[in-house]
Amino acid sequence: DQQVKQNSPSLSVQEGRISILNCDYTNSMFDYFLWYKKYPAEGPTFLISISSIKDKNEDGRFTVFLNKSAKHLSLHIVPSQPGDSAVYFCAAGGTGANSKLTFGKGITLSVRP
Amino acid sequence: KAGVTQTPRYLIKTRGQQVTLSCSPISGHRSVSWYQQTPGQGLQFLFEYFSETQRNKGNFPGRFSGRQFSNSRSEMNVSTLELGDSALYLCASRYPGDYGYTFGSGTRLTVV
Repeated sequence: DQQVKQNSPSLSVQEGRISILNCDYTNSMFDYFLWYKKYPAEGPTFLISISSIKDKNEDGRFTVFLNKSAKHLSLHIVPSQPGDSAVYFCAAGGTGANSKLTFGKGITLSVRP
Repeated sequence: KAGVTQTPRYLIKTRGQQVTLSCSPISGHRSVSWYQQTPGQGLQFLFEYFSETQRNKGNFPGRFSGRQFSNSRSEMNVSTLELGDSALYLCASRYPGDYGYTFGSGTRLTVV
C-alpha cells in the first residue's frame, strides 16, 4: 500500500521556467510533509517542509503548496536552474508512533539550459 | 558542523554472509532512522530509534536488525544476505521536534 505517490517519473523544463512537482497521499493522519532532493551516490538533502495546518510555505525559489481536501501537495521551483536537475522525493510523517517518514518513489527533474 | 557519517561507503559481500553498517548522527540528534533505496522503489523505511529504543519498524524480514547506543550512534545488521539486499542503505538523524531528517551519504551494499 503506497501511501505517498509521485505518479510522474520524470519532468523536463527549460531553464528560467517554473518546475511543478506533484505528490499525492492517502493517509489523512500525516502531520507534515517534506521535499528532498537527491543526486546520484549522495544522501537526500532536505529542501522544504510544510505542516498540515498550513497551505503554503516558501523558501527562496522553492514553494510548497498543500491541498488537504485533495490530499495533494506540490513543489514549485521558480526560476528553474540547471543545478536543480536531480531526483526529488516527497515525504510525509506524523507524530509519536507514526513519526517515521514515508517517501514517494521520486521524480527526476531535468532542467535544460 | 559535522553531518551524518555512515561507514563504510561501499561494501561487497557474498550471499549468506552477514553485514553490519554504522551510522554516527549529528551531535545532539537523538532520533536515527534507516532506509533502503533500490532502483525504482524509492526509500523504504527500515527502523527508527530514539534514545536507544526502537520506535518504529518497517516491513522487512527479521534478517534486518538494528540498535542504537547511548551516544546515539546506530548500527544495522543484515544476516544471511540475499542478492536482493543489494541497495543503498541510508541513515538519517534529526533533533527532537524537527520535521526534517538529515541524511548521510549512505552505504552501497552489493551482494554477489
